[in-house]
Amino acid sequence: DAGVIQSPRHEVTEMGQEVTLRCKPISGHDYLFWYRQTMMRGLELLIYFNNNVPIDDSGMPEDRFSAKMPNASFSTLKIQPSEPRDSAVYFCASSRDRVNTEAFFGQGTRLTVV
Amino acid sequence: LAKTTQPISMDSYEGQEVNITCSHNNIATNDYITWYQQFPSQGPRFIIQGYKTKVTNEVASLFIPADRKSSTLSLPRVSLSDTAVYYCLVGDTRMDSSYKLIFGSGTRLLVRP
Repeated sequence: DAGVIQSPRHEVTEMGQEVTLRCKPISGHDYLFWYRQTMMRGLELLIYFNNNVPIDDSGMPEDRFSAKMPNASFSTLKIQPSEPRDSAVYFCASSRDRVNTEAFFGQGTRLTVV
Repeated sequence: LAKTTQPISMDSYEGQEVNITCSHNNIATNDYITWYQQFPSQGPRFIIQGYKTKVTNEVASLFIPADRKSSTLSLPRVSLSDTAVYYCLVGDTRMDSSYKLIFGSGTRLLVRP
């Protein structure tokens, strides 16, 4: 398996624009996680899915953030409208059979909002 | 709410054993403690996971005391390639029974020749 695949690797956008980050988890994994990493706040769990169903989205900072998982092989994280403070590295991860087990992370998407 | 505390940084030399401790109070009672390693421009990578006492795999050991208020990641005979940031990850069961994963703030390990 190619691992967790995220796209794009880098995204530069202007404030107010919509940004969509994409993730393909490892096949057969039941859990999918979206994390955000910044120098100030470290690694933060934004939302996670179990079998395509959102379980906990309490980490999503605002209504500007939304995440979907239409099927087992694809998820998106959308920010609309984007703001400079959203600049961060966003990671997607997946794990096999329970929420706190070995998770496999993608390479991340570095988002810069100017 | 569960809180975690890790040293910000540590220095070591090749061949030495390194122990990194994470303090974590109020973690979920029946949950695992997990450690990850992260290199620049990469996602975190799983190292080891345990529930209590001691766990060992091919790269590290994890020591967890009975009260589970801390855990210590032990890296035997580190090499230059072990220079990275190390994170503990714990679960937090809230008053409303919701569950949340919490990463520690990370310990930056520098291994010198």
